[in-house]
Amino acid sequence: NAGVTQTPKFQVLKTGQSMTLQCAQDMNHEYMSWYRQDPGMGLRLIHYSVGAGITDQGEVPNGYNVSRSTTEDFPLRLLSAAPSQTSVYFCASSKTWDGSYEQYFGPGTRLTVT
Amino acid sequence: QKEVEQDPGPLSVPEGAIVSLNCTYSNSAFQYFMWYRQYSRKGPELLMYTYSSGNKEDGRFTAQVDKSSKYISLFIRDSQPSDSATYLCAMAGNQFYFGTGTSLTVIP
Repeated sequence: NAGVTQTPKFQVLKTGQSMTLQCAQDMNHEYMSWYRQDPGMGLRLIHYSVGAGITDQGEVPNGYNVSRSTTEDFPLRLLSAAPSQTSVYFCASSKTWDGSYEQYFGPGTRLTVT
Repeated sequence: QKEVEQDPGPLSVPEGAIVSLNCTYSNSAFQYFMWYRQYSRKGPELLMYTYSSGNKEDGRFTAQVDKSSKYISLFIRDSQPSDSATYLCAMAGNQFYFGTGTSLTVIP
């Protein structure tokens, strides 16, 4: 099992550019989520999905889009990058959404927007 | 009020010390409690997972949950330099909530 994989590991964008952060898991988990981690702010939930075709907003969804066409993949799209989106992004997955199973994290994507 | 409160530290201890890390929470509906360890520039990795109140031990690590006080703890015995990391508490009821993390340094 590869677990949760994320690409790219690092990315530098200019303000206004768009890009997609990729996330995949091979554990057949229904629940997937995206977090951003900023110093002193901890992990903040951006979007999540409880299954293929179902997505919902988390705490900080503005400026991001997601879709879930398969169980395995959950890409995060930045529509028009802003310096405030400079952060480390983590994808995570779990068997269920309610915490009754552990949540596993990917290695992260470090994004800088200039 | 934040759902989960965690002292950010930093915490610095000598090798071999007992470390105590704590979190408080406000939502009495939380049923599942977790501790994650995050090394610098890495993703969080699950360290301990407990359901409801009580203790759970795994080697040098002990997790305690006191639901009546809405308080959870992680104890590390015989701390090692390799334990130097940020420790995040997390809990779940209908979704996951994370503390901001406590930075720990174990000095050889």
